[in-house]
Amino acid sequence: GAVVSQHPSRVICKSGTSVKIECRSLDFQATTMFWYRQFPKQSLMLMATSNEGSKATYEQGVEKDKFLINHASLTLSTLTVTSAHPEDSSFYICSAKRAGQGGGTQYFGPGTRLLVL
Amino acid sequence: AQRVTQPEKLLSVFKGAPVELKCNYSYSGSPELFWYVQYSRQRLQLLLRHISRESIKGFTADLNKGETSFHLKKPFAQEEDSAMYYCALKPSGYSTLTFGKGTMLLVSP
Repeated sequence: GAVVSQHPSRVICKSGTSVKIECRSLDFQATTMFWYRQFPKQSLMLMATSNEGSKATYEQGVEKDKFLINHASLTLSTLTVTSAHPEDSSFYICSAKRAGQGGGTQYFGPGTRLLVL
Repeated sequence: AQRVTQPEKLLSVFKGAPVELKCNYSYSGSPELFWYVQYSRQRLQLLLRHISRESIKGFTADLNKGETSFHLKKPFAQEEDSAMYYCALKPSGYSTLTFGKGTMLLVSP
């Protein structure tokens, strides 16, 4: 159990367009989901924490108007990269925390590779 | 702010050799520490957490508050242990994780 999916797995878009990435918990409810960004050969950088039914909490330096996060249900969070530019090209990973489960265990999605041309 | 340091980018050992992946942290409160692992072409997954005091796949890690360390150890490495290992810290009262930069473990036959 505790499977998290992401869609799409990879996407190529033109500069100036917006891209939406979905993160779904398939077999559990997730009150909290997290969005990370990973640069090549670097660690995961937390972008924002998404709580179901409320506004996301963004980490310092992450533009909330650039990276729109919606967590409308207990199994779905979306990240929209608005007006994407080549510097937004990266590997975006989501994770989910099971509802009612304490501690720091997070279940990770497989990631989405974004390339902005 | 908390910080997690993994000083080694790459650790290469032979099969059967002992392994120690280092992790140091800085945090003023009482943290929870975790090790996550990412095998080739797979997603990140939890390996173990300090509060469980468990051994997973032969790996153990002890939280040393005096040295602010949470090193991951295994007495006899196996080829299937080759992966990227990330140490992570959860601050008390928060649900977020701060990750180290990761250590690639390569176990050669």
